[in-house]
Amino acid sequence: LAKTTQPISMDSYEGQEVNITCSHNNIATNDYITWYQQFPSQGPRFIIQGYKTKVTNEVASLFIPADRKSSTLSLPRVSLSDTAVYYCLVGDDSGGYQKVTFGTGTKLQVIP
Amino acid sequence: EAGVAQSPRYKIIEKRQSVAFWCNPISGHATLYWYQQILGQGPKLLIQFQNNGVVDDSQLPKDRFSAERLKGVDSTLKIQPAKLEDSAVYLCASSSTGRGGYNEQFFGPGTRLTVL
Repeated sequence: LAKTTQPISMDSYEGQEVNITCSHNNIATNDYITWYQQFPSQGPRFIIQGYKTKVTNEVASLFIPADRKSSTLSLPRVSLSDTAVYYCLVGDDSGGYQKVTFGTGTKLQVIP
Repeated sequence: EAGVAQSPRYKIIEKRQSVAFWCNPISGHATLYWYQQILGQGPKLLIQFQNNGVVDDSQLPKDRFSAERLKGVDSTLKIQPAKLEDSAVYLCASSSTGRGGYNEQFFGPGTRLTVL
């Protein structure tokens, strides 16, 4: 399984753009990059997924360089409600079942 | 669409007692996961089912933990006997299969277990 490395914590002011980078140097050809968000006392929630280049949805953007050894989750104009832990996962289900591992995540604190 | 249901939401037991958690996945989801999340850590996969068969239980402490998924739908995770270090949130998740790449996991609210 590809191992991921992310910052343990980040602080940001409301209204700013937040970029969280994840390193995954040994990513495999079939692996996708997925980000989850977790609020206290809740299960993780899917945010965005990508394979290469850029993916954007209503919540976030995901930037993946050509070598795919890292990825950056971008949250535009964060609010207090974006305070959460963000997990970067790398894995696939080409082997018949999914193989992914959650790391320790990045704790984002949004400051008023 | 109904989400993943788990019960109970909270459980407090004495060490060496037994406890069981129940999970009902999203209808039609073939894959079901049980995770253990200790405070301050990411979720750790305990066991993964594809329909009613186990595909990964490499991190399940089999001397005390057991899980089953009857008829490929609901699942039960049991701890017998519990230890203090089992205090954690137990999360159940489910996902569909069939398309290439990674299929989104949908998580339940979790069961918070406290072992005294």
